[in-house]
Amino acid sequence: QSALTQPASVSGSPGQSITLSCTGTSSDVGTYNYVSWYQHHPGKAPKLMIYEVNNRPSGISSRFSGSKSGNTASLTISGLQAEDEADYYCSSYAGSSTLVVFGGGTKLTVL
Amino acid sequence: QVQLQESGPGLVRPSETLSLTCTVSGGSISTYYWSWIRQPPGKGLEWIGYVYSSGSTNYNPSLKSRVTISIDTSKNQFSLNLRSVTVADTAVYYCARLVGAAPPSYFNCWGQGTLVAVSS
Repeated sequence: QSALTQPASVSGSPGQSITLSCTGTSSDVGTYNYVSWYQHHPGKAPKLMIYEVNNRPSGISSRFSGSKSGNTASLTISGLQAEDEADYYCSSYAGSSTLVVFGGGTKLTVL
Repeated sequence: QVQLQESGPGLVRPSETLSLTCTVSGGSISTYYWSWIRQPPGKGLEWIGYVYSSGSTNYNPSLKSRVTISIDTSKNQFSLNLRSVTVADTAVYYCARLVGAAPPSYFNCWGQGTLVAVSS
């Protein structure tokens, strides 16, 4: 059981917008603005897509955006493309002891 | 372009020690936090711990009694030792660079991961 809850799978058609959710608690997502999102193509290194809720690292497409409301964070992908098909993991800072917790991941399928 | 590469045995016997090394190339290991993260088959990611370039460490409370992470700045490497392993420690192990303003909270560079199976 992962600390953060993500839907197991989401699908969308090319060009559509989809939103992935990540639900935590008041001990992590709800308290800290330190949510990050990672894209993982199997067999490759995970890739940072969003950090500190809504910041994109250099080189990440503006089609990816992040937000947070209460205990739930979201990753929105607009203009869905075939190469977006991957597993997506969210993470949140959870205090100096536990440091970070992760979600179980969402498998995004581009139809 | 910083790159990370995990190395170590792919099979460990129960009750023994799992040892992995992460080699950092394309950049210095100094002045950063370096972490180990794992993913058991079919499950989510779990943060194991980090080491700072000074050698200071912080571990996940759930693994703290069995984990040691160390760093060798002369070799641009850091290592993971996990003692008294069981089948529950079977996972893909990733090394990653931990960054962010205080507190450091996200990982901006990852290795590809290495599968370690615990089995007799």
